[in-house]
Amino acid sequence: GAVVSQHPSRVICKSGTSVKIECRSLDFQATTMFWYRQFPKKSLMLMATSNEGSKATYEQGVEKDKFLINHASLTLSTLTVTSAHPEDSSFYICSATSRDGYNEQFFGPGTRLTVL
Amino acid sequence: AQTVTQSQPEMSVQEAETVTLSCTYDTSESDYYLFWYKQPPSRQMILVIRQEAYKQQNATENRFSVNFQKAAKSFSLKISDSQLGDAAMYFCGSFGNEKLTFGTGTRLTIIP
Repeated sequence: GAVVSQHPSRVICKSGTSVKIECRSLDFQATTMFWYRQFPKKSLMLMATSNEGSKATYEQGVEKDKFLINHASLTLSTLTVTSAHPEDSSFYICSATSRDGYNEQFFGPGTRLTVL
Repeated sequence: AQTVTQSQPEMSVQEAETVTLSCTYDTSESDYYLFWYKQPPSRQMILVIRQEAYKQQNATENRFSVNFQKAAKSFSLKISDSQLGDAAMYFCGSFGNEKLTFGTGTRLTIIP
């Protein structure tokens, strides 16, 4: 149980275009979903926290107009990178917690974004 | 605010031996949880072990155990009988105020 999927697993796009990444909890209802960014050989940095039906809470330094997060249902959150630039290239990971998860976060497999 | 420090960027251990990964943390939260996650080359984050800060007893999961020293804000991970499949990046994390903060990670290499 407690499986989180991400789609796509990798995406290459041209500079200036927008890319949407989906995060789904497959077998549980996710009260909260988190989006992280990980640079090569670095740790995970929290970008934002989203709760179903409400606006996402962004960490300091994260541009909310560039990284649009929508948490439309208890099983789906999306991250849209708008007007992507090469510096947005990174590994993006989502995670989700359930009501009874004892604050354990279940992580998706990640999405590698490359902006040309 | 929370900070998590892992002072060992890399560690190696002989197969079947025991290794301890260090982690210290700082938090202003009175209610928090501590985690160890592993990230193998596939980059999938996998929970290794969890410790509720209000519990004094150290958590154990098969070959994995922690030494939780709350006063010292220390949360080390001991891996016994190391196996080749244990090779990965290990991240220590502190969860409090609805946020999980990770350390910089320790790359563990298993020597056959």
